[in-house]
Amino acid sequence: DSGVTQTPKHLITATGQRVTLRCSPRSGDLSVYWYQQSLDQGLQFLIQYYNGEERAKGNILERFSAQQFPDLHSELNLSSLELGDSALYFCASSATPIGNQPQHFGDGTRLSIL
Amino acid sequence: DQQVKQNSPSLSVQEGRISILNCDYTNSMFDYFLWYKKYPAEGPTFLISISSIKDKNEDGRFTVFLNKSAKHLSLHIVPSQPGDSAVYFCAATGRNAGNMLTFGGGTRLMVKP
Repeated sequence: DSGVTQTPKHLITATGQRVTLRCSPRSGDLSVYWYQQSLDQGLQFLIQYYNGEERAKGNILERFSAQQFPDLHSELNLSSLELGDSALYFCASSATPIGNQPQHFGDGTRLSIL
Repeated sequence: DQQVKQNSPSLSVQEGRISILNCDYTNSMFDYFLWYKKYPAEGPTFLISISSIKDKNEDGRFTVFLNKSAKHLSLHIVPSQPGDSAVYFCAATGRNAGNMLTFGGGTRLMVKP
């Protein structure tokens, strides 16, 4: 158990809809990261937050947004969903956003778009 | 542009023997490298890491070797056990990357009893 909690585990929805994925980081971790794992792209970094502030952005679509709340949990919002958004979405956390420390991952949310 | 590559999609090893998983990178700004293990329906689990100031790091049965000139790292598992059967990802980050990880495509390791 990594200590990172993601809900829900599975989400099935239709094209055009909007969903929210939730992540609670490990106790004491201030930095949260979101990654997408699709069949053809592997694990890709989306966005990073540290203590409530956006820290870095990767290949995140404009239809996607995220935030980190004062209690440090984070939400990833995906809107105008397309079939290609079907993927596993992982959240990870680390104590600080500085390098040379491992990130610890949750078990992911599997998003299926019908 | 794949900055981190794992060229072997799968590897099969007999129990008790050594497993060697390889990873190549192209970005010379990477200075911290990690290996993660992933079982189905679970998230990646951190295994071992190495900083670019070292060329070897050991933790029990797991050893990571880094060859900076060749931009190559490898994970050695000795002895391999059936419970090691999983997908292994190498990942890299750099000082300027804010701890953002770039992952390889993964290698599926099968350890046969």
